[in-house]
Amino acid sequence: DVKVTQSSRYLVKRTGEKVFLECVQDMDHENMFWYRQDPGLGLRLIYFSYDVKMKEKGDIPEGYSVSREKKERFSLILESASTNQTSMYLCASIGGGARYQETQYFGPGTRLLVL
Amino acid sequence: QKEVEQNSGPLSVPEGAIASLNCTYSDRGSQSFFWYRQYSGKSPELIMFIYSNGDKEDGRFTAQLNKASQYVSLLIRDSQPSDSATYLCAVTGYTGGFKTIFGAGTRLFVKA
Repeated sequence: DVKVTQSSRYLVKRTGEKVFLECVQDMDHENMFWYRQDPGLGLRLIYFSYDVKMKEKGDIPEGYSVSREKKERFSLILESASTNQTSMYLCASIGGGARYQETQYFGPGTRLLVL
Repeated sequence: QKEVEQNSGPLSVPEGAIASLNCTYSDRGSQSFFWYRQYSGKSPELIMFIYSNGDKEDGRFTAQLNKASQYVSLLIRDSQPSDSATYLCAVTGYTGGFKTIFGAGTRLFVKA
């Protein structure tokens, strides 16, 4: 079974802090994604990466950056946390090949509260 | 107009009934369609995917796709209280880049 893990289940940070969220997958997947999920808005794509050191902006990249130095690890960085970044953050991965036909495997999520 | 639309619900059905969940999408180039189930406080998990017109059955679940109408649905037969969750519709296309769009989800309650 594919396993996607996230570094924290719950985080509380203060406005202006730099926040790191880490995601690790163990299936040698090429594609990894970071989403945030807010009530009534569904899952919104922040950034994704289709290879090591490659990254693409999603729909809401402002205020975020990412890093993918190793294939199994994809990090989301909040450069200066703000209260409107309070949300559930979900990491997901997909294998290569016919990418559009493959399901996304999600990590357990990180619930971030910014005070 | 949202790219993937779902009725937010809640949809309430009695135990043993058929639950019908619906989803419409705006991009005619969409190629793959997924239904995820998400329990409160948990991450989404895949129930089914479909990419050809028609029906696809897996146990109590049936996904239906109509590309001409840009419509995909999920039927849950013999609904159980454990089916109570939020169901997310996701649509993937590869026009100008690989992209998956999620709907906001429909909350389903199955009453015992």
